[in-house]
Parts: sequence; C-alpha cells; structure tokens
Amino acid sequence: DTAVSQTPKYLVTQMGNDKSIKCEQNLGHDTMYWYKQDSKKFLKIMFSYNNKELIINETVPNRFSPKSPDKAHLNLHINSLELGDSAVYFCASSQVRIRGPDGYTFGSGTRLTVV
Amino acid sequence: GQQVMQIPQYQHVQEGEDFTTYCNSSTTLSNIQWYKQRPGGHPVFLIQLVKSGEVKKQKRLTFQFGEAKKNSSLHITATQTTDVGTYFCAGRVETSGSRLTFGEGTQLTVNP
Repeated sequence: DTAVSQTPKYLVTQMGNDKSIKCEQNLGHDTMYWYKQDSKKFLKIMFSYNNKELIINETVPNRFSPKSPDKAHLNLHINSLELGDSAVYFCASSQVRIRGPDGYTFGSGTRLTVV
Repeated sequence: GQQVMQIPQYQHVQEGEDFTTYCNSSTTLSNIQWYKQRPGGHPVFLIQLVKSGEVKKQKRLTFQFGEAKKNSSLHITATQTTDVGTYFCAGRVETSGSRLTFGEGTQLTVNP
C-alpha cells in the first residue's frame, strides 16, 4: 500500500498550458504539504493544509492554486506554465502534535518539464 | 525569517571513511528532523531530535542536537555505497506551527 501517492510521476508540457498534480495519503494524517525541489536539490515549501484548511501559503505565483477536497487529498493546479516552473514537486503529509509535526512522509514526486 | 544553513553542500568520500554534515539555525529550534534522499528518489524521514544535547544512534548513523538547540549534526561511521544520497536537516521553531524549514542539503557520494 502506497502511503502518499502522487500522479503523474512525469509531466512534460508546453509553455502556457494548464496542468494539475494529484496527491492522496492513506495514513490518516491531518496535514498535507506541497514542496518544490529545484535542480540544486533545495526543498521549498509552497503550501500546507491542515484538515482542509490552508495554513501555509508561501510567496508563490498565483498561477499555482492548491485544492484540498478532504484531508486525504491535496491537489496542485498550475496555470499558464512557464519554463521556470520546471522542477520536481513533492507532496508530503504528517500528523501534527502539540510539540510539532511528526516526520513527514513524502510522495515519490512529480517531475515537471516545461518546454 | 528563519534560516537553516547546512554544510557542506557536497562531500565525496572513499568507502570506509567517516562523514559528517552540520546544520545551523538562526533561531532556537523546538525540534529538528533529518531526512535522506537517494538519487532519483524522495526524502525519507530518518529521525527527530527534541531535547537539548540529545544524541541518538541508528546503526552507523549518530545524530546530535546542540545544547542551545540551534545546531545539529549527522555523523556516519565507515560509509558504504548505500549511504549515497542527499541528507537534509529540517528545523521547527516553536511559534511556526507545523512548518519545517529545510536546510539546503548535503550531497554525499561514496567511491567504492
């Protein structure tokens, strides 16, 4: 059973297109995240939802819009794709305790290439 | 904003040598986590440290959390080719809710 699954694994698309990446977790965690990893491996938080409520919304272009229909799903929609959007996008989930989040469980990533 | 610096960015070692990566925060952390990402893979959670001065071991890996809770280290004894990957620290500040700030990572290569 895959704990955090995201689809698609690879996405090649032209500039200007709109695309979506889906993420689902079956761990019962209350918090989900989207991270962007660039070519230098740096992991940058984009969004986080706790029980369907947006709690972290970093400075990302408003072409990126997350949607959480329920606490097990967090999707990422990207409008008007640009070359600079090419990266690996990771979904992750965790259970948040009083002392903070448990370790994150990451999905296998979506490699987005914009041509 | 909170920053977590990690050094070195790259480390090349011969199999059998030891390896250490260091993590420093500009602010006091409530806890710190470590992750490993194999080439082409995704980050995998290794461990969480919570207490000042805490030391934890996992086989050949030793994790430390500084007394001031502003720094941490991961030490691997006698590296093996299976240790290849990028190691990330991720720190949480008390007031940041569930937000973790990741270090830039240390990419380890091990020559057989």
